[in-house]
Amino acid sequence: QKEVEQNSGPLSVPEGAIASLNCTYSDRVSQSFFWYRQYSGKSPELIMSIYSNGDKEDGRFTAQLNKASQYVSLLIRDSQPSDSATYLCAVNIKGRRSQGNLIFGKGTKLSVKP
Amino acid sequence: SAVISQKPSRDICQRGTSLTIQCQVDSQVTMMFWYRQQPGQSLTLIATANQGSEATYESGFVIDKFPISRPNLTFSTLTVSNMSPEDSSIYLCSVDSQPNSYGYTFGSGTRLTVV
Repeated sequence: QKEVEQNSGPLSVPEGAIASLNCTYSDRVSQSFFWYRQYSGKSPELIMSIYSNGDKEDGRFTAQLNKASQYVSLLIRDSQPSDSATYLCAVNIKGRRSQGNLIFGKGTKLSVKP
Repeated sequence: SAVISQKPSRDICQRGTSLTIQCQVDSQVTMMFWYRQQPGQSLTLIATANQGSEATYESGFVIDKFPISRPNLTFSTLTVSNMSPEDSSIYLCSVDSQPNSYGYTFGSGTRLTVV
């Protein structure tokens, strides 16, 4: 079973719409969850972190975590063409040999159409 | 958060040669991480580099192929040894963005092509 799974997309939304990105993870003891944005040819950029069940909002971004369902999502409100990128979900897997490392999903490619 | 300078940004190398990638951080960090991102794939952790001790390698990665140095708390190198075309990838170093947060800041990456 893959540790962190995402729909690879592409997810296409019109400008101004809400983009919803989803991620599931397999390790029930995971404590930390992150969303990274990666533009083509660039390195990943951390945009959101969430540690507790519920919602966490930062500007146009909202991260949602449901540990019982092992599910984390990212909502992007008022999507802009500049949001077009690949979004990587990352989970800190506790108990692994190298404490503190992250396991990444394969990413969802988002395209926001003007 | 930390700022990481990574170089080279890209290189084209001959099969059988080695390339050393450098990462310099603008602050002292306990752990540095080296990732590989193959074309169209996500990031895979190669190893964790701790200052003053040997690096910890993930399954599928060995020290002979990917030797790592960590001479101080702001610098690390990753060498890709005896390269083959299968090593063509983007290599990224990263550090914890904030103490104990486990969210990472990444270097700009090294795009390696082996011919």
